[in-house]
Amino acid sequence: QKEVEQNSGPLSVPEGAIASLNCTYSDRGSQSFFWYRQYSGKSPELIMFIYSNGDKEDGRFTAQLNKASQYVSLLIRDSQPSDSATYLCAATTGGFKTIFGAGTRLFVKA
Amino acid sequence: DAGITQSPRHKVTETGTPVTLRCHQTENHRYMYWYRQDPGHGLRLIHYSYGVKDTDKGEVSDGYSVSRSKTEDFLLTLESATSSQTSVYFCAIRVTGDSDTQYFGPGTRLTVL
Repeated sequence: QKEVEQNSGPLSVPEGAIASLNCTYSDRGSQSFFWYRQYSGKSPELIMFIYSNGDKEDGRFTAQLNKASQYVSLLIRDSQPSDSATYLCAATTGGFKTIFGAGTRLFVKA
Repeated sequence: DAGITQSPRHKVTETGTPVTLRCHQTENHRYMYWYRQDPGHGLRLIHYSYGVKDTDKGEVSDGYSVSRSKTEDFLLTLESATSSQTSVYFCAIRVTGDSDTQYFGPGTRLTVL
């Protein structure tokens, strides 16, 4: 069964630190990978997507993809209390579908 | 918000009653999805649609049916609700292109007593 695995956390970091979120996936055919942020009681919102090996930066966020290791990560620099949320990793798979991880809870302490 | 609305936003119902959830999009996207989200399980795909009248099952489709008679509407029906179907239900659309990103509606919180 195709899976996306994440550490459920919670991950706790002080304000201003770098938060590092990690994810592995099982389907070698996956082409695109996503990070969503979900606040409690809200719907997931897209932070970034990546489909090429290497790093992709957008403001304080950097996504990293290593297809050989089937590994995706998200770095959040200068973490803020407003970054406290659950972060979902996702990967496309065959048949127009996307597989989601169960999410990692992040707490940023002021 | 990708022009997605869900109705109702909250519903409490009793075991054995039929329930229909509606997802409406305004941007004519071909692909639409229904997920449920439960603690510890993340988002699990119930059904999806790849066009009008074209639907297929996801990983947790038992007890659910769907219909798509118009591009903009995707309906999820619980024929006879059970307590195990208490969950938060999200609709999503898929924007095709380089990333094939999915965007989510606001969700429906369903409680089956």
